Amino acid sequence: RKEVEQDPGPFNVPEGATVAFNCTYSNSASQSFFWYRQDCRKEPKLLMSVYSSGNEDGRFTAQLNRASQYISLLIRDSKLSDSATYLCAVNPSNDYKLSFGAGTTVTVRA
Amino acid sequence: GAVVSQHPSRVICKSGTSVKIECRSLDFQATTMFWYRQFPKQSLMLMATSNEGSKATYEQGVEKDKFLINHASLTLSTLTVTSAHPEDSSFYICSARDLRQGRTGELFFGEGSRLTVL
Repeated sequence: RKEVEQDPGPFNVPEGATVAFNCTYSNSASQSFFWYRQDCRKEPKLLMSVYSSGNEDGRFTAQLNRASQYISLLIRDSKLSDSATYLCAVNPSNDYKLSFGAGTTVTVRA
Repeated sequence: GAVVSQHPSRVICKSGTSVKIECRSLDFQATTMFWYRQFPKQSLMLMATSNEGSKATYEQGVEKDKFLINHASLTLSTLTVTSAHPEDSSFYICSARDLRQGRTGELFFGEGSRLTVL
């Protein structure tokens, strides 16, 4: 079983729509969780950290469910510029040797 | 602006040659840097942890004699792909944490180096 698994998508949504997707992780002792955004052929950039209580940053909401070992990302009011691949990352201990999912591709169409 | 810089961004080489990729932390010191590799449509796979002043620690399945890592200073780590073969063609990305006081400790990635071995 992979350490971190994501639905690859693609999620094709119209502008203004809401899109949500999950990421599951296998190590129940994982310490911290992140969502990264990766544009085609570019490096990942941190979108947001995921906190136990859930957190929101503008149109983006992240949730953590430790019992079921998954994190989620919800994007409201999608913009064309949200088109990207979203990678979840899990820090199994506290050493920042992150394990990444393969990414969920989101395409927002006009 | 970028806080971690990689060079070169793109390299094409012949099979059997060696390629060096540099990763620099800008404006901060990084005693630890991480090297990842990403094949098309796949996740980033951690290859090794580069430690300033000591040997790198490699992940299982990564050949240390093929992927030489040198962390000679607090701002520079290098990855050398020795005797490269076409199957080594990939996107190599380094990362480092900005642990300066007042910062979030976020992990920043370099721009990546796309290696194509002919």
